[in-house]
Amino acid sequence: DSGVTQTPKHLITATGQRVTLRCSPRSGDLSVYWYQQSLDQGLQFLIQYYNGEERAKGNILERFSAQQFPDLHSELNLSSLELGDSALYFCASSVDNNSPLHFGNGTRLTVT
Amino acid sequence: SQQGEEDPQALSIQEGENATMNCSYKTSINNLQWYRQNSGRGLVHLILIRSNEREKHSGRLRVTLDTSKKSSSLLITASRAADTASYFCFFDTGGFKTIFGAGTRLFVKA
Repeated sequence: DSGVTQTPKHLITATGQRVTLRCSPRSGDLSVYWYQQSLDQGLQFLIQYYNGEERAKGNILERFSAQQFPDLHSELNLSSLELGDSALYFCASSVDNNSPLHFGNGTRLTVT
Repeated sequence: SQQGEEDPQALSIQEGENATMNCSYKTSINNLQWYRQNSGRGLVHLILIRSNEREKHSGRLRVTLDTSKKSSSLLITASRAADTASYFCFFDTGGFKTIFGAGTRLFVKA
């Protein structure tokens, strides 16, 4: 158990809809990262937060947004969903930039 | 990926054999890490090697890093069926953390 909790585990929704994915980092970790993994693809870095502030941005679409709250949990908001957004979304956390990442088990999003 | 590459994309070996996978990158790094992913699950950290290290061992894992060639390799010795998974290398440039490529899919036949 990595200590990182992601909810929900599965999400099925229709095109055009909006969803929120939630991540609780491992206790003591200040950094949260979001990744997208499409079928047979590697992980695409979306965004990183550190202690509530955005630290780095990757290939995150404008339709997507995220935030990290004072209690350090994070939410990834996906809007105007398209079929191509169907993927596994992983959250990871770490103590700092030089430490290993601890991954949650992901949220599997299916857009129909 | 624009950040680097991993090879081979897939590797099938017999139990007991060694498995070697490689990773190349394009920028300066602080450290390089290897992760394992079992099908559809979250990644699990295996080993971290810092930019000033050349080789590191952890159990049956051996990682090398050549910063002049911007490449790293992961060797799994005496492989087991349980090692069947995808392996990703991941480098830290000091804030922008990227896992690149589709990883190497290792299949160990019992």
